[in-house]
Formats: sequence, structure tokens, C-alpha cells
Amino acid sequence: KQEVTQIPAALSVPEGENLVLNCSFTDSAIYNLQWFRQDPGKGLTSLLLIQSSQREQTSGRLNASLDKSSGRSTLYIAASQPGDSATYLCASCSNDYKLSFGAGTTVTVRA
Amino acid sequence: GAGVSQSPSNKVTEKGKDVELRCDPISGHTALYWYRQSLGQGLEFLIYFQGNSAPDKSGLPSDRFSAERTGGSVSTLTIQRTQQEDSAVYLCASSPRGDYGYTFGSGTRLTVV
Repeated sequence: KQEVTQIPAALSVPEGENLVLNCSFTDSAIYNLQWFRQDPGKGLTSLLLIQSSQREQTSGRLNASLDKSSGRSTLYIAASQPGDSATYLCASCSNDYKLSFGAGTTVTVRA
Repeated sequence: GAGVSQSPSNKVTEKGKDVELRCDPISGHTALYWYRQSLGQGLEFLIYFQGNSAPDKSGLPSDRFSAERTGGSVSTLTIQRTQQEDSAVYLCASSPRGDYGYTFGSGTRLTVV
């Protein structure tokens, strides 16, 4: 069974700092890995999708890397803003097409 | 539609009652998933539909839970004889195919009193 771990569980930074969120998974046989954002009381918003054949994806200030062999993905958020405050979840899609989620990293960006 | 639509957004029900939660996936998406997020817990897989194939029900926590998908589109998750431990946010997601990224709805917050 795929196990997904996110470190740290929580992160508080001053505005303008870069954020580094880590995700590790135990089974490297994945189709893709997806990063989501969840605001309190809301659903999940997709941020980046990295297919298993890709090494990274970028969207604006966000960059996600994937290293299947080591079972790791990292989400970088450049020049953080208070609006980036949310919980960030990573999820791997396994061969059975199910998503396995980490517990998330709760980010607070202080103005 | 533009996104995955779930209804109702909130549901309060009495213990023992049945509830139905609805999910309208993005048009053309063949894969549909139900997940549950309990307070302070991670996301728990419930059930997965892919096209006309038999659904993967391996995540349903008990036989009080069932789901169907009519015409390869709309899905309904039914919880019979609700219990307090069923209180959670139920999230639906769809995908063009099972391995190509997921779009989630806003969820249904179920409270059993």
C-alpha cells in the first residue's frame, strides 16, 4: 500500500520568503503526482500535475519536482505572499488509479 | 460544466436517517472518485468509477455506503442509517482518464446529529 508523507506538518514564514514543501512516497510505481491547495472549509484546488516521465512542472511562482527513484517530490513557492496561506497536499496516483494523499503541510505567511 | 459540482454543499441529518450526496463531473471525464475527509484526518478513498467498468468499491467503510453512476456521468453516494462517525466532508473528483490528473468539487459537509 502506498504511503505518502509530508514534511513539515506546518510552516510559518514572513512574507517574501521562499517556501519548500516536501512529499515522500513508498512505492515508486506511480502514474503521476499532483499537488493541491486546500483553504479552510473548501475543496481541493489543483496546483501542479507531474507525470511519471517528467522531472518538474512550473506555474508562475510554483515549481514542483519529482524524483521517482527516491520517492520524493518537492513544491517550491517563490516570494511567498499572505494569500499563499493554506494547506498543501500532495497525492500520488498508483497503478490502480487511486490517489494516495499525504496529511498536508499547513502554511502561514505572515504579512 | 466548467468544474465538478457537488450538492448539497452542507447537509445536517439525524442519526439513523439515509442521505444522498450528488456529484456532477466535468463533461467527458470518464473517471469519477469519491473521497472522505474527516475532521483532522487525511483524505480517505471510498470508490472509483471508470467508464462502464465495474466500480472499485474497496474503500467503502461499511455496507451502509453505496454509490452509483448513471449514464457514465452523474454519481450519487448513498449512506444508509447514518452514524455520527459518518460526519465528514465528502469530496468528488473527476479525471479525463484515471491517470491524468484530478479535478475536485467543493465537497459536501455532512453532519450527523
